[in-house]
Amino acid sequence: EAQVTQNPRYLITVTGKKLTVTCSQNMNHEYMSWYRQDPGLGLRQIYYSMNVEVTDKGDVPEGYKVSRKEKRNFPLILESPSPNQTSLYFCASSLGSPFSGANVLTFGAGSRLTVL
Amino acid sequence: AQTVTQSQPEMSVQEAETVTLSCTYDTSENNYYLFWYKQPPSRQMILVIRQEAYKQQNATENRFSVNFQKAAKSFSLKISDSQLGDTAMYFCAFMVDDMRFGAGTRLTVKP
Repeated sequence: EAQVTQNPRYLITVTGKKLTVTCSQNMNHEYMSWYRQDPGLGLRQIYYSMNVEVTDKGDVPEGYKVSRKEKRNFPLILESPSPNQTSLYFCASSLGSPFSGANVLTFGAGSRLTVL
Repeated sequence: AQTVTQSQPEMSVQEAETVTLSCTYDTSENNYYLFWYKQPPSRQMILVIRQEAYKQQNATENRFSVNFQKAAKSFSLKISDSQLGDTAMYFCAFMVDDMRFGAGTRLTVKP
């Protein structure tokens, strides 16, 4: 089944304890992206990647890191989480870049992160 | 700045009736894409409909259709014959070099 898989789905952690949210897609998509969803703000882009070893900042990159060493994986790293990073996180991928015709995003199921 | 505005935080509709969700956007670009995504209580993001800005014809997917007014920068979603399973948060999104989402409209379909 074609899908984007995120793990963990739920996580409660404490301030300063490094964590990684994994994202993997099995559709050979070039474009991958991370969003956070907060009430009243919709989804905001954190980082995106056009292809392997190519990553760029989105609207809210502070406090996050990403890497794209393989085409299928795009992990989100919180080096020192803080309470304001408590949010619902989504990974998404598409076959082509946003300005191409192949730009329909497939989303993962979301990861609910709570930082105490 | 490219922004997406959904002015209706919450809406409700009776089952089998029609409802329209509003969305406006702001951009200086001429070529772009517009989307409506549905997020049911399961939190999964599901594509409802997609519109390419250079196409004048409004997109339609079964009971879902859009009213795309490019000059007015408006992209509303009409849901006909509403069903209980349509209860969800609906996000309007706009894509040029990246995807920008509105704040969402929470739609409740009442039996």
